[in-house]
Amino acid sequence: ETGVTQSPTHLIKTRGQQVTLRCSSQSGHNTVSWYQQALGQGPQFIFQYYREEENGRGNFPPRFSGLQFPNYSSELNVNALELDDSALYLCASSSGGRNTIYFGEGSWLTVV
Amino acid sequence: DQQVKQNSPSLSVQEGRISILNCDYTNSMFDYFLWYKKYPAEGPTFLISISSIKDKNEDGRFTVFLNKSAKHLSLHIVPSQPGDSAVYFCAASVRGGTSYGKLTFGQGTILTVHP
Repeated sequence: ETGVTQSPTHLIKTRGQQVTLRCSSQSGHNTVSWYQQALGQGPQFIFQYYREEENGRGNFPPRFSGLQFPNYSSELNVNALELDDSALYLCASSSGGRNTIYFGEGSWLTVV
Repeated sequence: DQQVKQNSPSLSVQEGRISILNCDYTNSMFDYFLWYKKYPAEGPTFLISISSIKDKNEDGRFTVFLNKSAKHLSLHIVPSQPGDSAVYFCAASVRGGTSYGKLTFGQGTILTVHP
């Protein structure tokens, strides 16, 4: 148990729709990152939030956006869903520096 | 551009023997390396990490070796147990501040430990 919780665990959306995924970070962790893991691949870094501000972004288009709240929980929003967005979305939290990075169990998104 | 590579998609080992999982990287700015284990339908679980100032780190049955000149790291599991069967990911991050949360992952290696 990592203390990082994600919701929903599974969801199905239609192409063109919008989705919001949520993450509660482990207590005391002020840094949250989001990753996309396609089938058979390693997780790919989407972006990171540190104290409510975006702090780095991977190679993902602007329709992937996020938020971090004062309690350090976070949301990932994806607009105009495409079939290739079907993946496991992972949230990871840490307290920064060289401290351990913990992952949640992920949200499985299927776009049909 | 795959900056972290795990060239073996799968590895099969007998219970009690050593498992050696390999990882290569190309970005010389990486200075912190981690191994994660992942079961189906679960998120990655942290196993062990190593900083670039070290060449070895041990934690129980798990040892990670880092060869900076070869840009290569390996995870040794001794002795291997059937419960170790999972996908293992190597990950790396770049120096500085909150950069440690921005991990670059390899493609993963499926380890199967046979009783």
